[in-house]
Amino acid sequence: LAKTTQPISMDSYEGQEVNITCSHNNIATNDYITWYQQFPSQGPRFIIQGYKTKVTNEVASLFIPADRKSSTLSLPRVSLSDTAVYYCLVGVDGSSNTGKLIFGQGTTLQVKP
Amino acid sequence: GAGVSQTPSNKVTEKGKYVELRCDPISGHTALYWYRQSLGQGPEFLIYFQGTGAADDSGLPNDRFFAVRPEGSVSTLKIQRTERGDSAVYLCASRRDAANTDTQYFGPGTRLTVL
Repeated sequence: LAKTTQPISMDSYEGQEVNITCSHNNIATNDYITWYQQFPSQGPRFIIQGYKTKVTNEVASLFIPADRKSSTLSLPRVSLSDTAVYYCLVGVDGSSNTGKLIFGQGTTLQVKP
Repeated sequence: GAGVSQTPSNKVTEKGKYVELRCDPISGHTALYWYRQSLGQGPEFLIYFQGTGAADDSGLPNDRFFAVRPEGSVSTLKIQRTERGDSAVYLCASRRDAANTDTQYFGPGTRLTVL
């Protein structure tokens, strides 16, 4: 599976837009890019998934450049409740076709008042 | 609708004891995963079920760990002769079908503490 690199932590203030960039230089042609969010004492929660260009849903936007070697999760106007760990995942398990997720350390986002 | 549920939410045991952790997936979801998460780390894959069978158990750390899903719904993760290093949050996730890009829905986890 493609390895991902993302910042360990980020700070922001309420009302600001937050962009978290993930590098995945070895992404394969058939790999999707998926972001999960995890609050303390909860399991991860799917946020958004994309393959190329831009994807937007009610929670976030995902920007993927043409070379797909990176992606940026954009959270508009964050609030204190967006404080969480954000994981960038790339690909599915192509060897065994199980769909198992491979998580890195994630980015801990701290939103301050 | 109901999400993935896991019981117990917390389990404290002594070194050498046997424990069972239960996962109730979303109704109708055929795929079920177990992950383990240590403090400060992302979840780590343990085992994957498609229906009743374990399709991939490559993440189980050793033969003290075993999981079953006899009727293709509820799953139980079993740990024998627990060790302090087994302390972690054990997460269960389910997915609707075999499409690998489909969303996995996670439960809240069971926090296992081995004293």
